Amino acid sequence: AQKITQTQPGMFVQEKEAVTLDCTYDTSDPSYGLFWYKQPSSGEMIFLIYQGSYDQQNATEGRYSLNFQKARKSANLVISASQLGDSAMYFCAMRETGGGNKLTFGTGTQLKVEL
Amino acid sequence: DVKVTQSSRYLVKRTGEKVFLECVQDMDHENMFWYRQDPGLGLRLIYFSYDVKMKEKGDIPEGYSVSREKKERFSLILESASTNQTSMYLCASSFWGRNNQPQHFGDGTRLSIL
Repeated sequence: AQKITQTQPGMFVQEKEAVTLDCTYDTSDPSYGLFWYKQPSSGEMIFLIYQGSYDQQNATEGRYSLNFQKARKSANLVISASQLGDSAMYFCAMRETGGGNKLTFGTGTQLKVEL
Repeated sequence: DVKVTQSSRYLVKRTGEKVFLECVQDMDHENMFWYRQDPGLGLRLIYFSYDVKMKEKGDIPEGYSVSREKKERFSLILESASTNQTSMYLCASSFWGRNNQPQHFGDGTRLSIL
């Protein structure tokens, strides 16, 4: 079974608009962490934001925020005020405490920001 | 700033060749990882290492081996390259046991096997 599911292979958003990238996960481990990475066309993986399973508040980092709904097992990334430079592939990943320091990645969402 | 350096951005090799992909990190991280990335499949873990001379299989280890002789260096070896190993390979590193710390990635190696 898929541990991390990203159901949107591709998304379009207009510049300055907000966009939500979906991520659902599956785990029976009570302690886990969720990460979002951005991969521009140049290929490097850029860490964006982290949410721990016991964190009381949703994580925020600048224009990035994480809509964490634990009961639904979802951790959606919200990008506010989209910029052309946000066009990239976005990956959701999960680390389970029982799995050591390994990350399990979703298949990614390709975001295109348009004028 | 964390630096993970992969030896090549682009590499072209022939079927049957032994291929070495090298990765070096400068942050004294205990953990190092090798992933391959294919369209529609995301990143899949090939091998990882928690310490020098230690290795563990990931999800897709077949056809690959690894070597970690020094803490800062983690090598991925394709013993006899095949065309289905054409892919993007990403190396990453992280601290052991710090669950809220991300893995840091290199720029990737685009490997083509002809």
